Amino acid sequence: KAGVTQTPRYLIKTRGQQVTLSCSPISGHRSVSWYQQTPGQGLQFLFEYFSETQRNKGNFPGRFSGRQFSNSRSEMNVSTLELGDSALYLCASSPQYSGTAKQFFGPGTRLTVL
Amino acid sequence: GQQLNQSPQSMFIQEGEDVSMNCTSSSIFNTWLWYKQDPGEGPVLLIALYKAGELTSNGRLTAQFGITRKDSFLNISASIPSDVGIYFCAGQLDGNKLVFGAGTILRVKS
Repeated sequence: KAGVTQTPRYLIKTRGQQVTLSCSPISGHRSVSWYQQTPGQGLQFLFEYFSETQRNKGNFPGRFSGRQFSNSRSEMNVSTLELGDSALYLCASSPQYSGTAKQFFGPGTRLTVL
Repeated sequence: GQQLNQSPQSMFIQEGEDVSMNCTSSSIFNTWLWYKQDPGEGPVLLIALYKAGELTSNGRLTAQFGITRKDSFLNISASIPSDVGIYFCAGQLDGNKLVFGAGTILRVKS
């Protein structure tokens, strides 16, 4: 089975712009979660989607949003970019929505905000 | 909020040595997971633990889910150069939300 894919792998934007990141989960997986990884804060949960519905949300401002499509692919959007949004954005896929499902990560999208 | 305390922060290993790291939490988790991350890549799942007291192995790696459900450890036996990287513990509770430790950086002694 192909793993989790994320596009693009690298992105450079300027403050005030907006950005959309994409994640394709492992075939058959219906849950997609997004995480932000920075040197200072480590890995922080952004949100999770299952069956096209947001099921859980972390403590991030409303500038961070996401959606999931009927084929389980997910997109994450960040509006009005700030310098502090520079990070590695990771998505993880899982076969189901539960507290015991294994999660598999993609390679991430490295976002740099100038 | 929930926090995981992972230790040590970093360690140097010599090839052939055994390595041990652990995570503790003030919260109970349903599942503990251990991941390894190489530079420029996403975390790779090493071991998943589902029951309090469970001991699971994956090759040279062994991990345990603490009896209180608030802690876990990971051991690597007979380390090799490719074990170098960052190891993360993660606890899972609500849906698929993971709470991560800060990571343990494994380096090779020169």
